[in-house]
Amino acid sequence: SAVISQKPSRDICQRGTSLTIQCQVDSQVTMMFWYRQQPGQSLTLIATANQGSEATYESGFVIDKFPISRPNLTFSTLTVSNMSPEDSSIYLCSVSTPDRGRTGELFFGEGSRLTVL
Amino acid sequence: GENVEQHPSTLSVQEGDSAVIKCTYSDSASNYFPWYKQELGKRPQLIIDIRSNVGEKKDQRIAVTLNKTAKHFSLHITETQPEDSAVYFCAASRGDYKLSFGAGTTVTVRA
Repeated sequence: SAVISQKPSRDICQRGTSLTIQCQVDSQVTMMFWYRQQPGQSLTLIATANQGSEATYESGFVIDKFPISRPNLTFSTLTVSNMSPEDSSIYLCSVSTPDRGRTGELFFGEGSRLTVL
Repeated sequence: GENVEQHPSTLSVQEGDSAVIKCTYSDSASNYFPWYKQELGKRPQLIIDIRSNVGEKKDQRIAVTLNKTAKHFSLHITETQPEDSAVYFCAASRGDYKLSFGAGTTVTVRA
């Protein structure tokens, strides 16, 4: 298992500003992912945070809007840039625990609830 | 990419009855199918998963079945209890460590 801490847990932001979310894991992990969960909706993968290289973004998400850092195997940040009300969501950091080289359980942080006014 | 459809979107059951949630997936290369439970205001947590080489898996009151030919899988909860009330998400993975989630099912267990 993995224990994941996310900061901030919630924030209210003004339109046009940027906010950085931090994710700290209690052990070294290879795979870290950032998901978005809009109110009452499912989880949508934003990007895979790769240690030592650029993040890999999913369709519909771009680096200029969601820059990601992964300086080491226990930490990552996601920035939501130039926010608009449509960015109001819960942003979840998650880590994967591969099972003998296969996709395994995802552990999630508690999420960062952003409200953009 | 993978598309996962989940039904129903809401489900209300009497305590003690069974609940069934169904999902279909589009990518025949998908080989890992987990189910996550998310209680209100909490993070999603894995409750059960199944791999493509298995047709059924049980863990106490919950079970998952997989039909690879039809590309669908289902979650079965028996003897439902109030603490089973939550949002349940199915997901699928091609083995690239990424998950595609269904839209979620809000389960309410009536006392």
